Amino acid sequence: NAGVMQNPRHLVRRRGQEARLRCSPMKGHSHVYWYRQLPEEGLKFMVYLQKENIIDESGMPKERFSAEFPKEGPSILRIQQVVRGDSAAYFCASSPGTGMNDEQFFGPGTRLTVL
Amino acid sequence: GDSVTQMEGPVTLSEEAFLTINCTYTATGYPSLFWYVQYPGEGLQLLLKATKADDKGSNKGFEATYRKETTSFHLEKGSVQVSDSAVYFCALSGGDDKIIFGKGTRLHILP
Repeated sequence: NAGVMQNPRHLVRRRGQEARLRCSPMKGHSHVYWYRQLPEEGLKFMVYLQKENIIDESGMPKERFSAEFPKEGPSILRIQQVVRGDSAAYFCASSPGTGMNDEQFFGPGTRLTVL
Repeated sequence: GDSVTQMEGPVTLSEEAFLTINCTYTATGYPSLFWYVQYPGEGLQLLLKATKADDKGSNKGFEATYRKETTSFHLEKGSVQVSDSAVYFCALSGGDDKIIFGKGTRLHILP
């Protein structure tokens, strides 16, 4: 059973460009979470999605960031008009959604560098 | 709001030394507590967890006990190995599906 897949693993963008980060959850998992890890910091929750629904986006910046988890295909975290401060590692996690405090399984992350 | 505080690193130890990484938390209700490990260039892996007071989580020689009276979940290992070098994150989940992480403690083990 493949784990959580994220691609690309490394992404370089110039200021003002768009970044698209993809996450394929583990097979059978219907819940996806995105976290951001700034240099020398812990992970910070961004958004929690189920198929076609955003459940909690309290950690998402109000502008330029969006996330989706369509019925078919991976979850996408989209950052428009990137700025240097967006440089970070973005981790996706998935869970089966069977109950409270389900274990979250993390992907390897996408390291975004904004030049 | 809920938060996790863990000792700052880096922590440098010799192989076979005893390890303690302190972690305390602030939470309403009764959170689940976790330790995650991040090896260089990789994502986070769950190391161990405890879901209620006095529970002890253990894995790969690491242990941590959920202490409600001191709101702590300190990570311990009796004899560390070079392969234990990594960043360790203490975390909690309050039941709302988001995990709150500490800032991480980088551990270096010298041969």
